[in-house]
Amino acid sequence: GENVEQHPSTLSVQEGDSAVIKCTYSDSASNYFPWYKQELGKRPQLIIDIRSNVGEKKDQRIAVTLNKTAKHFSLHITETQPEDSAVYFCAASGTPFAGYSTLTFGKGTMLLVSP
Amino acid sequence: DGGITQSPKYLFRKEGQNVTLSCEQNLNHDAMYWYRQDPGQGLRLIYYSQIVNDFQKGDIAEGYSVSREKKESFPLTVTSAQKNPTAFYLCASSVTRQGNTEAFFGQGTRLTVV
Repeated sequence: GENVEQHPSTLSVQEGDSAVIKCTYSDSASNYFPWYKQELGKRPQLIIDIRSNVGEKKDQRIAVTLNKTAKHFSLHITETQPEDSAVYFCAASGTPFAGYSTLTFGKGTMLLVSP
Repeated sequence: DGGITQSPKYLFRKEGQNVTLSCEQNLNHDAMYWYRQDPGQGLRLIYYSQIVNDFQKGDIAEGYSVSREKKESFPLTVTSAQKNPTAFYLCASSVTRQGNTEAFFGQGTRLTVV
């Protein structure tokens, strides 16, 4: 099955700096890569995603890049703010079965943004 | 946000007892999942169900059981065979559109064995 590795496990930055979280995946058939943000005490929520036919996608201060050949994808947050502090999870969509796919998550990165 | 409800939010269990965690969704999603979240371990898949009356083991299914008798409901039973059941449990449902699978999570149940 799919295996997703995520690094680093914790990341501390100063407000205004950029943050980068990296993930690798093992299943070359995976073609969809979402990122989830989990604030303290809350449920994970989708913040951005990318498909394998796209190399980069941006949404305001966040962007995701994908290198399908190397099987890795990254989340980039620019101009970080204290409210960006949370745990971030990457995920990969497994091989579709009868129109359905399962998601395999990385272990998460705790991002701490200091004022 | 909303649409998938877990109950209770906090649950205490004595060792040796089975306990069932509830998960209900009104999003009309076919697929539902149970994840366990431990510090530093991320989200680990316990069981998933892609359709009513069918479910599959995830990576850490030992000591857990599920049922999927209705599309809206996917209860998880933590049995006494689970060696380390104290954890935060997240239920999710998902929809796949044009190859994109988006998961929606419940608020979670924190289970503590006392």
